[in-house]
Amino acid sequence: DTGVSQNPRHKITKRGQNVTFRCDPISEHNRLYWYRQTLGQGPEFLTYFQNEAQLEKSRLLSDRFSAERPKGSFSTLEIQRTEQGDSAMYLCASSREQWQQQETQYFGPGTRLLVL
Amino acid sequence: GNSVTQMEGPVTLSEEAFLTINCTYTATGYPSLFWYVQYPGEGLQLLLKATKADDKGSNKGFEATYRKETTSFHLEKGSVQVSDSAVYFCALSNPLLNAGNMLTFGGGTRLMVKP
Repeated sequence: DTGVSQNPRHKITKRGQNVTFRCDPISEHNRLYWYRQTLGQGPEFLTYFQNEAQLEKSRLLSDRFSAERPKGSFSTLEIQRTEQGDSAMYLCASSREQWQQQETQYFGPGTRLLVL
Repeated sequence: GNSVTQMEGPVTLSEEAFLTINCTYTATGYPSLFWYVQYPGEGLQLLLKATKADDKGSNKGFEATYRKETTSFHLEKGSVQVSDSAVYFCALSNPLLNAGNMLTFGGGTRLMVKP
């Protein structure tokens, strides 16, 4: 069990550019979540996958954001035409769905995005 | 909808002092409650959890009791150490409302423990 990994750890980009982040969940975890955390705030839910299906998206996820999990393993989060307001820490978490038990989400170290 | 409110920080304590970080929530039904901790430069780690009323979660000397009557889940530790310096997040999930069990977090409380 190597934990949840995220790449890159840091990304600096210019406004208007596209960026893509990757998350590798704990193996055999069928649920994968993306959250966004701005400075001094708690994480906010963006979207989640059950296997390869994207089952829920927050209204925070504008149409410039897209997430995929093509084979039910790793996931990517792409932001198109970045804006300065997109600057934040993007967190990925994974969990294993458990029947009638409260599952635990395990978080990766995050990707810190700075849009200049 | 769901929401979590926790006391603002920073909280500054001397080593071996008693710690309380208040957390209250708003949710329908019977949410599960969590405390996560974020050490400097690291990701969020689950500290403890409670899944039903009157449950007490505990780990590493920290405790929190799920109080449905006061909709609270306050974090306590009897004697803090310098190594406990971190940001603490209270969170809930509400599987009856959200089949995906996504977490709703409070704003976080920074704890600084001085030797």
